[in-house]
Amino acid sequence: EAGVAQSPRYKIIEKRQSVAFWCNPISGHATLYWYQQILGQGPKLLIQFQNNGVVDDSQLPKDRFSAERLKGVDSTLKIQPAKLEDSAVYLCASSLWGSSYEQYFGPGTRLTVT
Amino acid sequence: QQPVQSPQAVILREGEDAVINCSSSKALYSVHWYRQKHGEAPVFLMILLKGGEQKGHEKISASFNEKKQQSSLYLTASQLSYSGTYFCGTARSGGGADGLTFGKGTHLIIQP
Repeated sequence: EAGVAQSPRYKIIEKRQSVAFWCNPISGHATLYWYQQILGQGPKLLIQFQNNGVVDDSQLPKDRFSAERLKGVDSTLKIQPAKLEDSAVYLCASSLWGSSYEQYFGPGTRLTVT
Repeated sequence: QQPVQSPQAVILREGEDAVINCSSSKALYSVHWYRQKHGEAPVFLMILLKGGEQKGHEKISASFNEKKQQSSLYLTASQLSYSGTYFCGTARSGGGADGLTFGKGTHLIIQP
């Protein structure tokens, strides 16, 4: 069974530029999460989708971050404009249905903002 | 509310046992345990749902005390491959907005 796929794996941009990350979850997984992991810390939830609807985006900085999940499968996370403090690893995870099931993480995208 | 993990770090010799604790001040629905090696994504270890059950496979097991909102991860006869950072992630519900809140992690170093 294929795991969670993410791209790109690495991205370096200058502050005020925009960037987009892509995630393809495990087939059949209804729930998709985006987490931000700053070096030395645990992952922090940014947004949760159930199928193609947003369930929780309370910790998403909506003035600069946006996310969508078209047709309940792939998802994209965008940052515009980026700030220095956005430098982190962005992890996508999926589960069958919410927190009653294990979440599987993709390899992540390491973003460096200079 | 971020769960509190203890200890922050532990160094063991191969073959020794370790216990990592995770506690929350809020009622929990589930506790998830992950291991992350440097530069890699977190790898799922196990999930415990409310009900105070204990789970295990091979030499890694975990418990969840629903009354105390505490979970513990037990590593017995540790192997070099167990080195990494262990995170607990907690969820307060089983449906709807139930993304995990992770602790700060416990760094485990296994020496030969």
